[in-house]
Amino acid sequence: DVVMTQSPLSLPVTLGQSASISCRSSQSLLHSDGNTYLNWFLQRPGQSPRRLIYKVSSRDSGVPDRFSGSGSGSDFTLTITRVEAEDLGVYYCMQGTHWPPGYTFGQGTKLEIK
Amino acid sequence: EVQLVESGGDLVQPGGSLRLSCVASGFTFSTYWMYWVRQPPGKGPVWVSRIKFDGSRIDYADSVRGRFTTSRDNDKNTLYLQLKSLRVDDTAIYYCATPALDFWGRGTLVTVSS
Repeated sequence: DVVMTQSPLSLPVTLGQSASISCRSSQSLLHSDGNTYLNWFLQRPGQSPRRLIYKVSSRDSGVPDRFSGSGSGSDFTLTITRVEAEDLGVYYCMQGTHWPPGYTFGQGTKLEIK
Repeated sequence: EVQLVESGGDLVQPGGSLRLSCVASGFTFSTYWMYWVRQPPGKGPVWVSRIKFDGSRIDYADSVRGRFTTSRDNDKNTLYLQLKSLRVDDTAIYYCATPALDFWGRGTLVTVSS
């Protein structure tokens, strides 16, 4: 089964600075249809996860352009420029290319204030 | 506006059963695959099941196959998850979600404990 590995697991940041989270998959996420189904989610404390990025780099409606996704194959990055207080929480990457095993999440990266 | 409202979570003993519901609104429910995802306390999300828009195909994670049953009633815009032979490690918040997990409900808590 495909395994998603995020790093770091904890990311202390100074508000206003940039932050980057890495996500690596044990298999390429390039689907036979030409798409790469790699999504990013943010879960704020006490809330449901919210999707930010889909298919590697497309931002969901209402997501600030401070958030950007990049990568290909099995190596992906979420970058947040000018981190704001509302960005704090746990970020998850998730693959949707390989079925089975179905949607597979990374372990999560906790973005917190330094 | 898309809304997903889960209900039915409760405290249940190991070996017990429960049925969860998810009422959808704000989109044409009968034309979408629907998903169940769970999140154990303090851990990341885990995909549980998905059901095709007409109910003709249902997939399950290995950890729940044979114990959980997903169904839907398109006339009532409602998604169901029947949980049987519950185990302590089934304790989690259970969320319903739309395809590619772009919208999530607030979840309903299932606690399995003696």
